[in-house]
Amino acid sequence: NAGVTQTPKFRVLKTGQSMTLLCAQDMNHEYMYWYRQDPGMGLRLIHYSVGEGTTAKGEVPDGYNVSRLKKQNFLLGLESAAPSQTSVYFCASSRYGGGSYEQYFGPGTRLTVT
Amino acid sequence: AQRVTQPEKLLSVFKGAPVELKCNYSYSGSPELFWYVQYSRQRLQLLLRHISRESIKGFTADLNKGETSFHLKKPFAQEEDSAMYYCALTTGTGTASKLTFGTGTRLQVTL
Repeated sequence: NAGVTQTPKFRVLKTGQSMTLLCAQDMNHEYMYWYRQDPGMGLRLIHYSVGEGTTAKGEVPDGYNVSRLKKQNFLLGLESAAPSQTSVYFCASSRYGGGSYEQYFGPGTRLTVT
Repeated sequence: AQRVTQPEKLLSVFKGAPVELKCNYSYSGSPELFWYVQYSRQRLQLLLRHISRESIKGFTADLNKGETSFHLKKPFAQEEDSAMYYCALTTGTGTASKLTFGTGTRLQVTL
């Protein structure tokens, strides 16, 4: 099993450009999460999903949109990238919901917005 | 508001020395705490959770509700313990509950 995969691994965007980050998991997990990691800030939850077709806002949702059309995929979109969105983005999934269960993380996507 | 504090950005110890990575939390509910670890070039992964009361790779952590702490300890550090360690707290209830992470501590074990 590949576990949680993220595409792309690296990306450089100009301010105002858009892009979509793809997260895929092959563990049949119901719950999926998008985090961003910034120096000195730890991981902060952007959006999450409790199942196919559902999404919910996390701690820092502004400027991002998400979709969960298929159970195995969770997409994170930036409609108009800003330099403040320069970060490392991590996707995670868990079999059961909430924070009580182990989350499995992807390798991360390093995004730079110039 | 819920908060997880890891006061040290970097902890440098010698091989064989004891290790204590500090974690304090602020939460009005019943806390569930975890330690996640990220080794160089590897993914973030769960190290241990307080409800399991287990020892993983020689690490233990005890939840102290009186001091609102969940420090990670190991009696003798090994080189392979060098990594980034994150303390995390479950906040909220049921399926809406989420993990709140601390800012992380980098553990550097030197010879």
